[in-house]
Parts: sequence; structure tokens; C-alpha cells
Amino acid sequence: DTEVTQTPKHLVMGMTNKKSLKCEQHMGHRAMYWYKQKAKKPPELMFVYSYEKLSINESVPSRFSPECPNSSLLNLHLHALQPEDSALYLCASSQDLTGLKTQYFGPGTRLLVL
Amino acid sequence: QKEVEQNSGPLSVPEGAIASLNCTYSDRVSQSFFWYRQYSGKSPELIMSIYSNGDKEDGRFTAQLNKASQYVSLLIRDSQPSDSATYLCAVRSEDNFNKFYFGSGTKLNVKP
Repeated sequence: DTEVTQTPKHLVMGMTNKKSLKCEQHMGHRAMYWYKQKAKKPPELMFVYSYEKLSINESVPSRFSPECPNSSLLNLHLHALQPEDSALYLCASSQDLTGLKTQYFGPGTRLLVL
Repeated sequence: QKEVEQNSGPLSVPEGAIASLNCTYSDRVSQSFFWYRQYSGKSPELIMSIYSNGDKEDGRFTAQLNKASQYVSLLIRDSQPSDSATYLCAVRSEDNFNKFYFGSGTKLNVKP
């Protein structure tokens, strides 16, 4: 089973709203990721958690706030977003081994900021 | 800056033909390589991973890796219209195993 789940599938929010994206995996993976993907572009890394600790923050604006409550869950809290933040937000997970490491993506949340 | 380069396409092939997708990478020490398929509006789906020089086959898909030339390719045999998608090449960083670098993707069209 290589399933990563994400909720919601779609989200429309105003610039003053606060919302959260959720991601879950039960593969025992200890690294979890948030990516942002705009149309016709590759995924752009935002954050990486390794063993529930934030290990990479790619200089993402503070209106995006990640949280990793436990090894299976990853949240992305959104506040005061801009229309240009509209995109497909992808969660991914991978094993945290120094050997072979494969990354699996969830189905994504399509976000529209009005 | 570590780079992963792909021809953006579109690459058009007739149904039943072999589609050949190519990727080059800049980091000479890279060891882990991945091909993802992404349908429009959907998330990337892992197709193949390859770690050693040579060929790796899985059904109609063959990944080829040449570390000396810093080149990885994906061959799709007996292409089907359902293979029409964007194919993303990804390379795992050796500096930080949690970081993956993506190419911009090659759009494949398989014509019936």
C-alpha cells in the first residue's frame, strides 16, 4: 500500500480566511513533504518534516504554516493568502533511510484564493 | 544549483510506437532517479525508480541510467493513448536525502 491521502480535494478561500490542509499516510514513512504546483510547472518544494521535525523550509512566506502532529499526519495552515497562492498543493512521504528512498504523492488539494 | 533538464515537448508518437523520454542532471554524485507520470489536474504517480547503471524494466516501461553521461531515460513500449501525460524526472539530492529535484516535465501525446 503506497497511499497518501489529502483533504480537502478542493478549497476556495478569501484572502482573510484561515483554513488548513491535511495529509495522512500509514506506510511508516518518517519524512513528509509539502509541495506547491502551478499549472504546467513541476512541483515546488515548500517544507519537509523528518521524524516530525521541520528539516527544510524553502523560504516560504509565513502565511503558510506547517505542522506535523505525529508521524502519520501533516497539516498546512493557511492565513491571509494571496490570489497568486492559488495552486495544487501536494503532500508526499518517503522512507527516511540513507539507502533507497522513494517519494509518493497524495492526490493534492486544489486551492483557489479569491 | 542542482539542475534536472527535460525537453518540454510535446512529444507525439502514434499508438503502438516506442516513446523515448530523456532527462539530464547536473549533480555528478547523484545516485537515485525517479520517473513520475502526471495526468492533467492530477498528482504525480511514481512509474519507475532506478539506482544502478543500465536498464530496469517493468512491464511496458524501461528506465535507462548512464551515470557517466549524467543521463536517465524512460522508454514506453507499445504506447497507448492512456499514456498521454506529462512525465517528470526527479533526482534525489545526495546532500540531503529528503530533497528531490524535479525536471520541468515532458508532455507526451500518443495519437490513436
